[in-house]
Amino acid sequence: GQQLNQSPQSMFIQEGEDVSMNCTSSSIFNTWLWYKQDPGEGPVLLIALYKAGELTSNGRLTAQFGITRKDSFLNISASIPSDVGIYFCAGRSYNTDKLIFGTGTRLQVFP
Amino acid sequence: EPEVTQTPSHQVTQMGQEVILRCVPISNHLYFYWYRQILGQKVEFLVSFYNNEISEKSEIFDDQFSVERPDGSNFTLKIRSTKLEDSAMYFCASSDRGPAKNIQYFGAGTRLSVL
Repeated sequence: GQQLNQSPQSMFIQEGEDVSMNCTSSSIFNTWLWYKQDPGEGPVLLIALYKAGELTSNGRLTAQFGITRKDSFLNISASIPSDVGIYFCAGRSYNTDKLIFGTGTRLQVFP
Repeated sequence: EPEVTQTPSHQVTQMGQEVILRCVPISNHLYFYWYRQILGQKVEFLVSFYNNEISEKSEIFDDQFSVERPDGSNFTLKIRSTKLEDSAMYFCASSDRGPAKNIQYFGAGTRLSVL
């Protein structure tokens, strides 16, 4: 089946640093979504991308839909302690609303 | 801000028992979903539901699983005879539109523990 590989698996950074994580697939997706999950909570949508090459920002977060439609990245600038959590990419293929989730990137921010 | 609510937050059951997980989607949404997340793993799609019928389901969603929208507000997932491997977080999600520009909003989840 379709799989999304996220890297890195985990990151330990200092507050104020920038963060970059990415998601790759062997399949083409029509939509890329980035979610954040806090412990014991459900995924919360951060950014949605609908077109190849699209670059979208949400505050300190920036995400891009790769030109090949097989990858996406998420950048977080000037990290703060509340950025701690697990970040998941999710892709959706044409004509389905099923989301395929990535393996997740666990982010730890130290003051 | 409207949100998806799920009850209970934690359900403990004996193997072989039936469980019903409940969800109240966002009120004007028409597309409903269940996902599950085994501890420490990624979120996996189970089923999507629209217009009172299943529109898509995964291999995980076998005959032990069923979904229902019993009234205008609730959306339920039933597991007929629970197995140990059904232990997971179960997330309900809803959306106001279909595949094009579909954004799914997730509830906080129900943790199911099968003993």
